[in-house]
Amino acid sequence: QKEVEQNSGPLSVPEGAIASLNCTYSDRGSQSFFWYRQYSGKSPELIMFIYSNGDKEDGRFTAQLNKASQYVSLLIRDSQPSDSATYLCAAMDSSYKLIFGSGTRLLVRP
Amino acid sequence: GAGVSQSPSNKVTEKGKDVELRCDPISGHTALYWYRQSLGQGLEFLIYFQGNSAPDKSGLPSDRFSAERTGGSVSTLTIQRTQQEDSAVYLCASSLSGQANEQYFGPGTRLTVT
Repeated sequence: QKEVEQNSGPLSVPEGAIASLNCTYSDRGSQSFFWYRQYSGKSPELIMFIYSNGDKEDGRFTAQLNKASQYVSLLIRDSQPSDSATYLCAAMDSSYKLIFGSGTRLLVRP
Repeated sequence: GAGVSQSPSNKVTEKGKDVELRCDPISGHTALYWYRQSLGQGLEFLIYFQGNSAPDKSGLPSDRFSAERTGGSVSTLTIQRTQQEDSAVYLCASSLSGQANEQYFGPGTRLTVT
């Protein structure tokens, strides 16, 4: 059974802080990883994807991948109240479908 | 450009009725995916289309669920004899091709079976 695990949270951080969201996956064959943000009542919105070991930065977001440890993370710098949402980690399996974690709820306190 | 569109946005149906959900992918995207999300849960894969063919139907929960895609574009997901446990948000996503490309989601159809 391919699984993606995330802490459900909520993760509460003050405005301006760095939020760190973590994810582990079980399928060593997974090569591509995605972070989606989902506001309550809305559909998932793609914010980052990463294929290679190491860090990938896009604005305030940094995705980190460690395939040896089967670990993916998302850092959000200078967190804003508008970042408050559920963050879904997904691993793409060999048949190109996404295996999603259950999501981490992030609360950014003003 | 236009994103993935889905219709209807909301559907309430009585147990035992059939429902049809529609997805219109981003223009030029050859791969199309259906997922569902039950209340407070993560997303569950249902089926994947590459063009008009479905290489992976492994997520369909029962034979009451079927999907088709015609003309390499619009897809319909049909649920026959709906049950209360079918209540969920049904999400469609598309990607440029059936490879390691990013998937973009539509707004979803919220299905409620009473």
